[in-house]
Amino acid sequence: RKEVEQDPGPFNVPEGATVAFNCTYSNSASQSFFWYRQDCRKEPKLLMSVYSSGNEDGRFTAQLNRASQYISLLIRDSKLSDSATYLCVVKNLSESASKIIFGSGTRLSIRP
Amino acid sequence: EPEVTQTPSHQVTQMGQEVILRCVPISNHLYFYWYRQILGQKVEFLVSFYNNEISEKSEIFDDQFSVERPDGSNFTLKIRSTKLEDSAMYFCASSDRRGALGELFFGEGSRLTVL
Repeated sequence: RKEVEQDPGPFNVPEGATVAFNCTYSNSASQSFFWYRQDCRKEPKLLMSVYSSGNEDGRFTAQLNRASQYISLLIRDSKLSDSATYLCVVKNLSESASKIIFGSGTRLSIRP
Repeated sequence: EPEVTQTPSHQVTQMGQEVILRCVPISNHLYFYWYRQILGQKVEFLVSFYNNEISEKSEIFDDQFSVERPDGSNFTLKIRSTKLEDSAMYFCASSDRRGALGELFFGEGSRLTVL
């Protein structure tokens, strides 16, 4: 099983729609979780951290389900500018250092 | 806003040549990383660096790779003898004292093309 697994998509939704995608992780000892956004041929940029209690930032809501080992990202009222690849990122604490693992990403395309 | 800067933005090299990719992390950050992304594929961890030494490396980071922080501001990745499969975007990242939280700040990347 992959350490971090995402549906590659693409998710193609109309502007204004609500879209959600999940990410599963295999290591139950994983401690920190994030969603990054990556535009085509650009660097990944932190979108939001994912807290145990769930958290919201404007139109974006992130949730963590430790029992089932997945995190989710919900985007409400989607905008054309939300079109990007969304990377699930999981941090495992090894003996020597933190290892941060990226999922393969979910491609989202918002159409007018 | 402070940012991670990388040079060059694009380098084309012949197979077997040595390449050095440079990064200037955010100044008060303590943890430094190199990642690579082959076109169309996922972002892959190469190496992490803390307190002037490698703290972790992946199986990709074999003997042809090395990292250095020569002067307290630059963080370099050297590839000794490039192979075709080294062609990728190489991202430098840094994180601060709260690096344990794992929030990474990425540079814009250096695209390496090996011919």
